[in-house]
Amino acid sequence: DAKTTQPPSMDCAEGRAANLPCNHSTISGNEYVYWYRQIHSQGPQYIIHGLKNNETNEMASLIITEDRKSSTLILPHATLRDTAVYYCIVRVNNFNKFYFGSGTKLNVKP
Amino acid sequence: DSGVTQTPKHLITATGQRVTLRCSPRSGDLSVYWYQQSLDQGLQFLIQYYNGEERAKGNILERFSAQQFPDLHSELNLSSLELGDSALYFCASSVGNSYGYTFGSGTRLTVV
Repeated sequence: DAKTTQPPSMDCAEGRAANLPCNHSTISGNEYVYWYRQIHSQGPQYIIHGLKNNETNEMASLIITEDRKSSTLILPHATLRDTAVYYCIVRVNNFNKFYFGSGTKLNVKP
Repeated sequence: DSGVTQTPKHLITATGQRVTLRCSPRSGDLSVYWYQQSLDQGLQFLIQYYNGEERAKGNILERFSAQQFPDLHSELNLSSLELGDSALYFCASSVGNSYGYTFGSGTRLTVV
């Protein structure tokens, strides 16, 4: 599995956009980028995933660079409830398992 | 409620004992995955079952074993427990190997 690199922590003001970066410079052509988050010892929650194109859903947007070596998860209007550890994972879509790294601890402040 | 049910939510037991953790996947999901999360550690993949068959193994100790039953629920058996086995144990399920998993809320195991 390709490795990912994320900053250990980030702060964001409530109501502002949170932009969480992820580097995956060794990503293969058939590997997808997935984002999960874990709120204080709860089960991880799927957020979004993509291959090449930018993706958007009701939770977030995923921007993948043209060379696919990095991506950014955008929470458009962060709330206090978005405080969590965010994991960026690359995975072949028909591969068996996700490997979770250390993630980014996002602190949303009032 | 994610649809993945894990029981019990909390478990306290003594060293040397054996426990069984249970997971019921979302309706229609054939794959079940087990993860361990120790204090201040990341999520470690343990094992995956698909439709009753073991599909992949991760960093699972020999003292641990799992199985998936015909009704697709899964059990993780932990034996000869040590203090270091204290952790959150998560189960996740998916339809197959594609797309994302849905995680349960976990079982917090404390070994004293």
